[in-house]
Amino acid sequence: EPEVTQTPSHQVTQMGQEVILRCVPISNHLYFYWYRQILGQKVEFLVSFYNNEISEKSEIFDDQFSVERPDGSNFTLKIRSTKLEDSAMYFCASSKQGAKLETQYFGPGTRLLVL
Amino acid sequence: AQSVTQLGSHVSVSEGALVLLRCNYSSSVPPYLFWYVQYPNQGLQLLLKYTTGATLVKGINGFEAEFKKSETSFHLTKPSAHMSDAAEYFCAVSDRAGNTGKLIFGQGTTLQVKP
Repeated sequence: EPEVTQTPSHQVTQMGQEVILRCVPISNHLYFYWYRQILGQKVEFLVSFYNNEISEKSEIFDDQFSVERPDGSNFTLKIRSTKLEDSAMYFCASSKQGAKLETQYFGPGTRLLVL
Repeated sequence: AQSVTQLGSHVSVSEGALVLLRCNYSSSVPPYLFWYVQYPNQGLQLLLKYTTGATLVKGINGFEAEFKKSETSFHLTKPSAHMSDAAEYFCAVSDRAGNTGKLIFGQGTTLQVKP
């Protein structure tokens, strides 16, 4: 069964450093998402992406964040200058369509720790 | 604005006992509701979803949930817990006001199954 994959599974970085989190969505899916979960808090939406453009973003997704689909398979989240509060589990998800009843398929997450 | 509340961050049941995980939502429009499960070191996996039609929804692994509009609830149940059901469970609503199907999650409930 096709699945969403994410790398790395864990990343430790120093405050102020740039990090890139990578995701490979399911191959015939067209909509891509990033969510994050700070320890002990809810899973929060960050951004959705379709047709090489951001479709929607949350207020969390400020200028420090960017997303890219550099080739036909990868979908990346870049944090330009990490802060302590960026420490969280980051989940990538994809769906065939963007309809609001469509199922999103999630990857296993990348646990980011900023020191 | 839509929101989801899961009552009980931890639920413990004995193997063979009824599982009941509570979810209440707030939405000004008919909601699309989802239950996801996360096993250790894995991504969020869809258990079931409600969009329209029959209010009792059956999902994978013997789980079901009932949409009750009058109670704004979408509780998840399973008649008989199995050890393999131990996981974290997330209730979510699709944001029908946004551009894409971003999910708004509850805080999650950890299910422990005792032998």
